[in-house]
Amino acid sequence: EPEVTQTPSHQVTQMGQEVILRCVPISNHLYFYWYRQILGQKVEFLVSFYNNEISEKSEIFDDQFSVERPDGSNFTLKIRSTKLEDSAMYFCASSASLGGNTEAFFGQGTRLTVV
Amino acid sequence: KQEVTQIPAALSVPEGENLVLNCSFTDSAIYNLQWFRQDPGKGLTSLLLIQSSQREQTSGRLNASLDKSSGRSTLYIAASQPGDSATYLCAVRQAGTALIFGKGTTLSVSS
Repeated sequence: EPEVTQTPSHQVTQMGQEVILRCVPISNHLYFYWYRQILGQKVEFLVSFYNNEISEKSEIFDDQFSVERPDGSNFTLKIRSTKLEDSAMYFCASSASLGGNTEAFFGQGTRLTVV
Repeated sequence: KQEVTQIPAALSVPEGENLVLNCSFTDSAIYNLQWFRQDPGKGLTSLLLIQSSQREQTSGRLNASLDKSSGRSTLYIAASQPGDSATYLCAVRQAGTALIFGKGTTLSVSS
């Protein structure tokens, strides 16, 4: 069964460093997303991406964050100058379309720990 | 601004019980509602999606209902098993691309 794949599963980084989280969406999907979940809190939307550009972003997704689809399969989230409060589980998701009958499928997540 | 609330926050039941998880949302203008399962430290597994025009969806022992006008959805789990122990999240999508999540109900089924 097709699935969304995220690497690495766990990343530890020092405050102020840049990190890149990687995702391989389901191959025929056209919409890609990043969400995050701080420990004990709700899953929060960060950004959606379609046709090589950002479709929608939340207030959380400020200039510290960027997304890219560098090739036909990967979708990345870059976090510049990481802060302690960026520690969270980051989930990538994809969907085939935006129709009302379209499910979003999530990866297993990357646990980012900023020390 | 859409808010999604799930009650109860935690639920413990003995194996074999039927149970209902609740989800409410403040803005009824949604495209769809999706129920997910999350195991500790893991990703989100999609369980059921209900379109705004639908009243319910079924998958195996799971049945999800949607009452859009009252801003409510329920997830019914029949004959619960220890393997059902997990956190169950509901999320709604409005105009746009973002899913808005509730905080989840953590279910524990004892054998």
